[in-house]
Formats: sequence, C-alpha cells, structure tokens
Amino acid sequence: GAVVSQHPSRVICKSGTSVKIECRSLDFQATTMFWYRQFPKQSLMLMATSNEGSKATYEQGVEKDKFLINHASLTLSTLTVTSAHPEDSSFYICSAASLVSNTEAFFGQGTRLTVV
Amino acid sequence: GNSVTQMEGPVTLSEEAFLTINCTYTATGYPSLFWYVQYPGEGLQLLLKATKADDKGSNKGFEATYRKETTSFHLEKGSVQVSDSAVYFCALTNQAGTALIFGKGTTLSVSS
Repeated sequence: GAVVSQHPSRVICKSGTSVKIECRSLDFQATTMFWYRQFPKQSLMLMATSNEGSKATYEQGVEKDKFLINHASLTLSTLTVTSAHPEDSSFYICSAASLVSNTEAFFGQGTRLTVV
Repeated sequence: GNSVTQMEGPVTLSEEAFLTINCTYTATGYPSLFWYVQYPGEGLQLLLKATKADDKGSNKGFEATYRKETTSFHLEKGSVQVSDSAVYFCALTNQAGTALIFGKGTTLSVSS
C-alpha cells in the first residue's frame, strides 16, 4: 500500500513552546489529509480535515488557533501545536487520501507529544 | 452524526481460538465500513472494508459482513495466531463521506 510518513515519531517540549509535526505522502498525491488525536485507551478523534491549497476544516471543539494546519502541497501537511501545555500531550496521527482517485486513506505512524 | 460502537476489550484468546469483535454503527445514508489494525509500535493499517450492504470484506483470514438490517460489521477469524495480537478499530465514513469515524478500539491478546 501507499506510504505516509509522519515526523517526528516522538517529541518532548516545554510548556509554552510550539511543536510542528509533518505528514508526507511518499508515493501518491494526497488531495486531502486528516489529523487525528488519540488519547490513551480511547478512539482516534478527528481534529481537522485539510484539502491542498485551502484552509483546514476543524471539528467542533478543536481550537484552530492552537492547532495550526497547513497543507501547502499535495505531499505535505503540517500540524503545529502552538503554546503547548501538558494537556496537549497525546498521540497525533495523520492520514492522507486522494479523493480524486478515490483511494483509501493511509495512515502515518503517529507522533507521541509530551509537554513538560 | 455517524458513530460506531465496538466491544470493549481486552480480548484474551489462546492460539487457534475463534475470534469475534462486535461492531455496530449508526449512520445517515450509506457509509463505508472498515476495520483497521494497529500492531504494537506501528501505525494503523487497513485490514478490510465493505462499501455497501451485504458486502463481505476479507483479508488475512479475517472477515466482516456489512449488515444493514442489524447495523453491524462484526470482525471474525476462525483461528487466531499470536501474531494477530494488536488493537482493532472499527470505523465508518462520516456523513460527508470525507473522513473516518473510529470506535474506541479493542485490544486482542493471543497466547500460545
């Protein structure tokens, strides 16, 4: 299957700093990327959907000014957690799909964020 | 909106036992249904899917049938292996058909 690379896999940052997570589709053009958050022993919660070249659509309850999403190209989307706090510590997962060719969504391996 | 409920784990089985993980859904329209698997230390992988009623998805010995009358998509495998130990997520497309909504996941542990 297609490959989606997410980087970094783990990051520890201090409270108040910002962290950027990258999601790349390596062998296909992703018209749409999704960002999820997974709490321990919980399901994946969809945070936002981003289409290449346009603003992301955030799910209800997700602060768009805190979780900045950029999808500037067909192979790269970034999630920036701004002014991180310990409660932002979580597992963040991206997935990428090409809705033009109706491919399934492929998932990155996730990023474990710990804010200290 | 669309939602999915799957049985809570953990599920602990011996090798070669029969596996069922229940999944039911509520949805508007005709969503596609999926099972994803997350092996320890890895990302989610699509295990199988079904896009319309009565479709059966199958892969690696796992099966699930899209049952519209019972709004279910139960995952089954006739004989599990230790290597099947993982977390299994049931999912369906959202109302817009643009994203996936996941269940809480069921941890399967298979011992030899």
